[in-house]
Amino acid sequence: GNSVTQMEGPVTLSEEAFLTINCTYTATGYPSLFWYVQYPGEGLQLLLKATKADDKGSNKGFEATYRKETTSFHLEKGSVQVSDSAVYFCALTYGNNRLAFGKGNQVVVIP
Amino acid sequence: EAGVVQSPRYKIIEKKQPVAFWCNPISGHNTLYWYLQNLGQGPELLIRYENEEAVDDSQLPKDRFSAERLKGVDSTLKIQPAELGDSAVYLCASSSRTSGRWDEQFFGPGTRLTVL
Repeated sequence: GNSVTQMEGPVTLSEEAFLTINCTYTATGYPSLFWYVQYPGEGLQLLLKATKADDKGSNKGFEATYRKETTSFHLEKGSVQVSDSAVYFCALTYGNNRLAFGKGNQVVVIP
Repeated sequence: EAGVVQSPRYKIIEKKQPVAFWCNPISGHNTLYWYLQNLGQGPELLIRYENEEAVDDSQLPKDRFSAERLKGVDSTLKIQPAELGDSAVYLCASSSRTSGRWDEQFFGPGTRLTVL
């Protein structure tokens, strides 16, 4: 089937630290991969995407590279800010634009 | 450009009561989605509309859930009767086939339903 697995548990880190959130996927065919972010009290927003192997998506200092050989799409940011505190969801599309989401990771950045 | 609008933002009802959620997608977006998001989980698709036609409703529990998008713009999702397990956030999203970025879905803020 088509599914996404994110690392378990919240992520707590200090301001200016390096952030990595792991995401691996299982898919038939060649899905597009996404990271969505949900700030407190708001809807999900598309953060970045990659549509084929070796593509790198980037936005707001965040990056993720579509790795077909490891079926991964890990999210990274070199220096986080308090304003990056949110829930981050990895997702893929399959079928007719169906999105399959991971469970999400709560990121808390401490000043 | 206005985003996806949903109302109400919060709804508390007693079990066995009916409830309805409303969504207004981004102007010009012909594809509309309803998702269910349980606490601590990612959203799961309930139904997808292309204009006024429901083209993917295999995940919609049709015994109690129904949806409509009569004029291909606004949509309503209804639950009748509601059960305790329906407590969740109901998200609406839209995307545009004509933009060349149909895979990018734009989400509304959601309706948080609590069934007592």
